[in-house]
Amino acid sequence: DQQVKQNSPSLSVQEGRISILNCDYTNSMFDYFLWYKKYPAEGPTFLISISSIKDKNEDGRFTVFLNKSAKHLSLHIVPSQPGDSAVYFCAASKKDGGATNKLIFGTGTLLAVQP
Amino acid sequence: GAVVSQHPSWVICKSGTSVKIECRSLDFQATTMFWYRQFPKQSLMLMATSNEGSKATYEQGVEKDKFLINHASLTLSTLTVTSAHPEDSSFYICSVTSPRALLNQPQHFGDGTRLSIL
Repeated sequence: DQQVKQNSPSLSVQEGRISILNCDYTNSMFDYFLWYKKYPAEGPTFLISISSIKDKNEDGRFTVFLNKSAKHLSLHIVPSQPGDSAVYFCAASKKDGGATNKLIFGTGTLLAVQP
Repeated sequence: GAVVSQHPSWVICKSGTSVKIECRSLDFQATTMFWYRQFPKQSLMLMATSNEGSKATYEQGVEKDKFLINHASLTLSTLTVTSAHPEDSSFYICSVTSPRALLNQPQHFGDGTRLSIL
């Protein structure tokens, strides 16, 4: 049961254009969402997050949008740069009955930014 | 600088051997660490939550006798894959969260360990 889904396994965009990565989830109990960037043979690096009480969060070139009614979030990168080429994972978090918050990851989208 | 150190980065060993992977929190004391596994082109799957001073909490379907977790100090958690077999070959990643983690504080990940069982 994949609770967090990234339906596009890959995305290719031109340098300078906007990259839009999408993520859907099924569990309405998720209350926090995160985006991570991952290079091969390395651990994920945190990019940006959003609370379920918000619908937008922006940090530099990265903006995350959340549509709770559609259970959908997206990551916008603008302008895209070749160094952004990596696998992007969205993740969702919910309270686990304590202070720790488990992360449920999507399957990832490989972004390739063409020079 | 790195927040989490994971060692070794790559292990190749024969079937039947046990392999220990270390995860160290470098910047703060971590009461909670997480262990994930990632198969090629798949998602990171949470295996277990490592709790300092107490037993780890395993996710459904993860054999606790197969994947031994020890979190003896606030800066070190170890994952031991016992009697490893080729199907255990995967990329294992740990993460740490600070003791005063708020909901919006992300987990910090290690660089992972590539385990290959021949």
